[in-house]
Amino acid sequence: DIQMTQSPSSLSASVGDRVTITCRASQGISNYLAWFQQKPGKAPKSLIYGASNLQSGVPSKFSGSGSGTDFTLTIRSLQPEDFATYYCQQYNSYPHTFGQGTKLEIK
Amino acid sequence: QVQLQESGPGLVKPSQTLSLTCNVSGGSISSDSYYWNWIRQPAGKGLEWIGRIYTSGSTSYNPSLKGRVTISVDTSKNQFSLKLSSVTAADTAVYYCASASGYLGYFGMDVWGQGTTVTVSS
Repeated sequence: DIQMTQSPSSLSASVGDRVTITCRASQGISNYLAWFQQKPGKAPKSLIYGASNLQSGVPSKFSGSGSGTDFTLTIRSLQPEDFATYYCQQYNSYPHTFGQGTKLEIK
Repeated sequence: QVQLQESGPGLVKPSQTLSLTCNVSGGSISSDSYYWNWIRQPAGKGLEWIGRIYTSGSTSYNPSLKGRVTISVDTSKNQFSLKLSSVTAADTAVYYCASASGYLGYFGMDVWGQGTTVTVSS
């Protein structure tokens, strides 16, 4: 199985900040990488697919980059609604695997 | 856009089979280039991909579930299903269904159901 490792596991930031979350795959996955946002008690919401493509309706403050094994999710100008847990997921090979999550909290 | 809704028993006894259904609305489950997925999340923990089925009926499963899982499609009811046999307390989780579109699901799991909680307990 491909291991997905996110860093950091938790992150404190202030409204207006720009933050970056990193996701590393244990082997190359091309750009078959997705990012999800999950709020407590809710289903995950897809933000990005193909490492850098925004899902329809997702604001451009979210951006993704990377290819191969190293990927990043950047969120600029944090707003209160952005504080949530973020997951990466590879879908290059089976089983599709998720990172352990990054909890973004308000400082 | 497609909408998904999970349904099924919220309580399952140990060693029995967990059965859930995901109803698809706003589109046909037989549409080309759609993969229908199941994902679960134990309370307070991360997400685990269970498996998926393509419109053609071909399936892929997570080996961690050791052959206990079956995903199937019922085109007449526009729904797909999950069966997980020989359940234990470790299978207690919120179960989500999700759809992924595009060639090999390239557009990712962009539509999710709201999730349904399943507890395994006697």
